[in-house]
Amino acid sequence: KAGVTQTPRYLIKTRGQQVTLSCSPISGHRSVSWYQQTPGQGLQFLFEYFSETQRNKGNFPGRFSGRQFSNSRSEMNVSTLELGDSALYLCASSMGPAGEQYFGPGTRLTVT
Amino acid sequence: GENVEQHPSTLSVQEGDSAVIKCTYSDSASNYFPWYKQELGKGPQLIIDIRSNVGEKKDQRIAVTLNKTAKHFSLHITETQPEDSAVYFCAARTKDKIIFGKGTRLHILP
Repeated sequence: KAGVTQTPRYLIKTRGQQVTLSCSPISGHRSVSWYQQTPGQGLQFLFEYFSETQRNKGNFPGRFSGRQFSNSRSEMNVSTLELGDSALYLCASSMGPAGEQYFGPGTRLTVT
Repeated sequence: GENVEQHPSTLSVQEGDSAVIKCTYSDSASNYFPWYKQELGKGPQLIIDIRSNVGEKKDQRIAVTLNKTAKHFSLHITETQPEDSAVYFCAARTKDKIIFGKGTRLHILP
């Protein structure tokens, strides 16, 4: 069974731009969560989607948004990029909201 | 706010010895405690987990213990091998959120 895939793997953007990251969960998994990982703050929860609905949201500004499609694939969007948004963005999928989570390899975003 | 404290931040052990990483959580509603291993350039990999109705769980060389009263849980790796070198994260999950520890960088010395 294929694992969680994330595209693109690497991205360089300029301050003020916006970016969209994509995540394809493991086949059969309906829950997708997004995390931001930085050396200073560690792994921080962004949001969780299940059956196209956002179930939970972490403590991030409204510039961070996401959505989930009917095939369980998910995208997250960051608008008006700031230097501090440079991070590894990780997606994790699970069968359901309380299930074991399996992470993708992440998208490394660099904002210059 | 709610948090998860993880210690130590760095741990070096001789190959073949045991390694122990400890976490403390603050939210008493936490009921699921996964451990992840992250190698360079990769996403975290779930290695073992425990739910709040269980005190201990073992999978080959890896074991996790949970003390709900003290809000402590620990990862034990026995007979360490070079491929155990990585960063390990603990996490505590409630119905609504999951909080991760800051991570432990484990070095296995030859």
